[in-house]
Amino acid sequence: EVQLVESGGGLVQPGGSLRLSCAASGFTFSSYWMSWVRQAPGKGLEWVANIKQDGSEKYYVDSVKGRFTISRDNAKNSLYLQMNSLRAEDTAVYYCARTIVATMGSYWYFDLWGRGTLVTVSS
Amino acid sequence: AIRMTQSPSSFSASTGDRVTITCRASQGISSYLAWYQQKPGKAPKLLIYAASTLQSGVPSRFSGSGSGTDFTLTISCLQSEDFATYYCQQYYSYLLTFGGGTKVEIK
Repeated sequence: EVQLVESGGGLVQPGGSLRLSCAASGFTFSSYWMSWVRQAPGKGLEWVANIKQDGSEKYYVDSVKGRFTISRDNAKNSLYLQMNSLRAEDTAVYYCARTIVATMGSYWYFDLWGRGTLVTVSS
Repeated sequence: AIRMTQSPSSFSASTGDRVTITCRASQGISSYLAWYQQKPGKAPKLLIYAASTLQSGVPSRFSGSGSGTDFTLTISCLQSEDFATYYCQQYYSYLLTFGGGTKVEIK
């Protein structure tokens, strides 16, 4: 079955760190860009970061630059998000998403999503 | 960043209705637009990409149109399973952005 399963969420204090993982199965993980997208409680979707197939390119939304690091291990079919210096506004469900490069001259959309893992930043 | 504005933010409709949701970009994005459906407590699901291309497995009652700054998602005959929140997303810029969502509720 083609699926993505996130883990690693939980309650963390402001200023703390957390590492999210996403396990991929049922497709050739190393052939795809991958992304993290988050959704604060009761709010809309926000793209967080993405990474190229070989890890050579990474992009981040401005609000997490310098605090979050996306990485992947193609041998383990896994995607990661290291989150440091967490803030209350980082509280959200974090989704792992398989990412499609549409055409030359455009960027990415998401064709497969995991069920998400909840990160709560609170004292 | 490109701002995506959806309208309305929510509305009520009945099964069998034809419904249209609008998404407007703050600058031209060609046809680099995707639509997603999200049900409560679930992950989003890709419906349409390239503004009008139906994702495999998505029912043909869903359709998308538009280019430049103005886009629409149409559901030709609303079914019970279509009550959900819909989001547009632009991929013209590497700073990917989503619309605020449109919630379709049962009348």
